[in-house]
Amino acid sequence: EIVLTQSPGALSLSPGERATLSCRASQTVGSYLAWFQQRPGQAPRLLIYAASRRATGIPDRFSGSGSGTDFTLTISRLEAEDFAVYYCQQYDGSPEKVTFGQGTKLEIK
Amino acid sequence: EVQLLESGGGLVVPGGSLRLSCAASGFTFDDHAMSWVRQAPGKGLEWVSTISSSGGSPYYADSVKGRVTISRDNSRNTVYLQMHSLTGGDTAVYFCVKGEHSSGWASVFDHWGQGSLVAVSS
Repeated sequence: EIVLTQSPGALSLSPGERATLSCRASQTVGSYLAWFQQRPGQAPRLLIYAASRRATGIPDRFSGSGSGTDFTLTISRLEAEDFAVYYCQQYDGSPEKVTFGQGTKLEIK
Repeated sequence: EVQLLESGGGLVVPGGSLRLSCAASGFTFDDHAMSWVRQAPGKGLEWVSTISSSGGSPYYADSVKGRVTISRDNSRNTVYLQMHSLTGGDTAVYFCVKGEHSSGWASVFDHWGQGSLVAVSS
């Protein structure tokens, strides 16, 4: 099983600041890496897929980078609606191999 | 607009059974694999099962294999998750998820339903 480790577990920032979230895979996943945002009481929403491609309707302040085992989600200027939990997910190959990271909670400072 | 509407959740006793349904609209249903992902209270996301667009290839997480059956009815644009021998460890919100591709292989989870709560308790 490919283990995804997200860091930090929690991040406290102010609106307008830049957020950098990390996701590290225990083995290479190529570019088969997605990022999801989950607000309290809501379903996850796809932000980034193929490591760096923004999903439809996602603001350009969200960007993804990386390949292989190390990936980053960057939010350039935080807005109030961005404070949520973020999950990375790898989808390299069979559906049975899909795994998620444990999440990073982005909190308002 | 893609819409995924889950139903069938609720309170069930340990050892009981439950069938979740997910009615899909806003896209060509039989062109896409469909999945179920669950989230235990206060916890992260766990993939449960995926079925290919034709229904011919189901996949299951080890944690539910042998107790869960995924199926779909392309004439009704609906995917199902039949669960048996439920335990407290199955308590979670179950999300219905649309896949990017038909096979489910290397396929992004691009749209999610709002979820259906399954609570297993005596």
